[in-house]
Amino acid sequence: DSGVTQTPKHLITATGQRVTLRCSPRSGDLSVYWYQQSLDQGLQFLIQYYNGEERAKGNILERFSAQQFPDLHSELNLSSLELGDSALYFCASSVYGGDNEQFFGPGTRLTVL
Amino acid sequence: GQQLNQSPQSMFIQEGEDVSMNCTSSSIFNTWLWYKQDPGEGPVLLIALYKAGELTSNGRLTAQFGITRKDSFLNISASIPSDVGIYFCAGRDSGAGSYQLTFGKGTKLSVIP
Repeated sequence: DSGVTQTPKHLITATGQRVTLRCSPRSGDLSVYWYQQSLDQGLQFLIQYYNGEERAKGNILERFSAQQFPDLHSELNLSSLELGDSALYFCASSVYGGDNEQFFGPGTRLTVL
Repeated sequence: GQQLNQSPQSMFIQEGEDVSMNCTSSSIFNTWLWYKQDPGEGPVLLIALYKAGELTSNGRLTAQFGITRKDSFLNISASIPSDVGIYFCAGRDSGAGSYQLTFGKGTKLSVIP
């Protein structure tokens, strides 16, 4: 158990809908990272927050957004969902913003029908 | 952008055999990380490498940071059935001002009892 929690574990929704994925980092970690894992693309970095502020942006679509709250938990919002958005979404956390060692949560499996 | 080539893509080995896998990058990295992912779970950090030439062990696992800083190797000795899973390498070029990790596409390991 990495100490990173993610909810929900599974999510099934329809195209065009909007969903919110939630992540709580390990106790004491200030940085949260979001990744998308699909079969053909592997693990793709989406976005990073450090202590409430956006720190780095990766291959995140404009339909997706994230935020980190004062209690350091983070939410990833996915809107206007398409079939191709079906994937595993992982959250990871680290102590500081520049840490190399990221600890991953169990993931949320999103299925868009 | 940076690319990581991880090989082999998959391997089937007999229990008790040693395993080797590697990762090469198109650019120089300052950090190499190796993760293992079990089905339905998030990646778990196995070994972190921070210096060119560094050789680090974690039980039966040994990883090396290549001298050129463009590659890394992971060896598993005397494999056992619970070694089954997908192994990912990840690297980071902190000098580029980015704290983003780039992941390889993984090596899927199957162990035949």
